[in-house]
Parts: sequence; structure tokens; C-alpha cells
Amino acid sequence: GQQLNQSPQSMFIQEGEDVSMNCTSSSIFNTWLWYKQDPGEGPVLLIALYKAGELTSNGRLTAQFGITRKDSFLNISASIPSDVGIYFCAGRSNSARQLTFGSGTQLTVLP
Amino acid sequence: DTAVSQTPKYLVTQMGNDKSIKCEQNLGHDTMYWYKQDSKKFLKIMFSYNNKELIINETVPNRFSPKSPDKAHLNLHINSLELGDSAVYFCASSRRDRDYGYTFGSGTRLTVV
Repeated sequence: GQQLNQSPQSMFIQEGEDVSMNCTSSSIFNTWLWYKQDPGEGPVLLIALYKAGELTSNGRLTAQFGITRKDSFLNISASIPSDVGIYFCAGRSNSARQLTFGSGTQLTVLP
Repeated sequence: DTAVSQTPKYLVTQMGNDKSIKCEQNLGHDTMYWYKQDSKKFLKIMFSYNNKELIINETVPNRFSPKSPDKAHLNLHINSLELGDSAVYFCASSRRDRDYGYTFGSGTRLTVV
């Protein structure tokens, strides 16, 4: 089956710093998605990417669909305390019916 | 209005019991899912229904039985609960099969003691 490797597993950063996390897949994906999960809640979609090379922003968040179609990254600029949570990448290849999720990046923002 | 609602939010039960988790979506979506999130936060698909038809059934023990009475509801019944079933179970929906905009419920934390 599809496998996603997401890194880093966790990050501790100071408020105001920029953050970067990435995902790589074992197969070519035709869609990459980034979700955020707050404690006690379900994941919420942040950014969706549909084309290789696509760069999309959502406020302070920017994500890119890798040219090889096997990777994606998410950047968060000028982090704030409410950025705390678990960030998941997710994607799907043409042969799969459902999304596969990465293992998550736990982000902690220190004041 | 909550888009995808799950009940109960928390469920503590003894080994061997049978329990159900209910899910409802008011988004008019055709496809619904059950995901299991383990203690390491890994999200794994369990089942998917499209217009009440089962379309994904991953390697899940047959003690787990989903039921979709209509396309707005997808319930999960678990028989003979085991300690390893303890996890957070998320219901999600999307407009249609192979759509990527999943909307998740807030989860049901199941603890088997």
C-alpha cells in the first residue's frame, strides 16, 4: 500500500519563528493535502494541492506539491501560539480510493 | 451547526462488551469514512461508504461492523471489545467518492478497560 513519511515527528520553536515540515511518498501522488489537528478535535483541511509544482498559500501557511509528485512541504511563517497542534500531510495516488495520511508533526510554539 | 457530529465523545467500557458509535453529517455529502487514530496519532482508514454502499473495507477485525442507514449516517458497531481497540475513532465525509475535501468529526475516544 501507499506509505507516507512525514518529518520531523515533533518540533519545538519560539514564537515568531518560521517552521518547515515535509512528506515523501513511496508512489506518485496526484493530490497532496495538509491538515491540522487541535487537541480533542478532528483534523481540519488547511491547503489542497492538485498539480506538480503548485505553490499555494493560506495566510501564513504555504505548501508546495513537489515536481517529482512524490513529496510536499508545508511552511508556517511567523509562528504564533495558536499554531500549536499536529500537522498531517495526506495524499492519494491514481490507484488508491482513499487518502493516506502521514504520521503527523507535533508542533509546539514556546512564548 | 456541526457539520460532522459523532456521539459519544468519550466511551469507557469493559472488555467483552459491545458498543456503538454514531456519526451524522449535514453537508449533503455522498461519502463517509471511519478512521482510527492510535496512541501515536497515526490515522488509518477503516471503512468507507458511498451512498450507503460499502466501498472500502480495510483489514479490520470482523468484530467491527459499519452500518449506513442513509447517506447522512454511518455508525460503527464493535463486538467483544478488546484492550487493543482503545483509540480515537474519527468519522469523516466528502462530497463524493475520491473527493479530497474530507470533513472530520471531533472524534470518539474509546477506552477499553
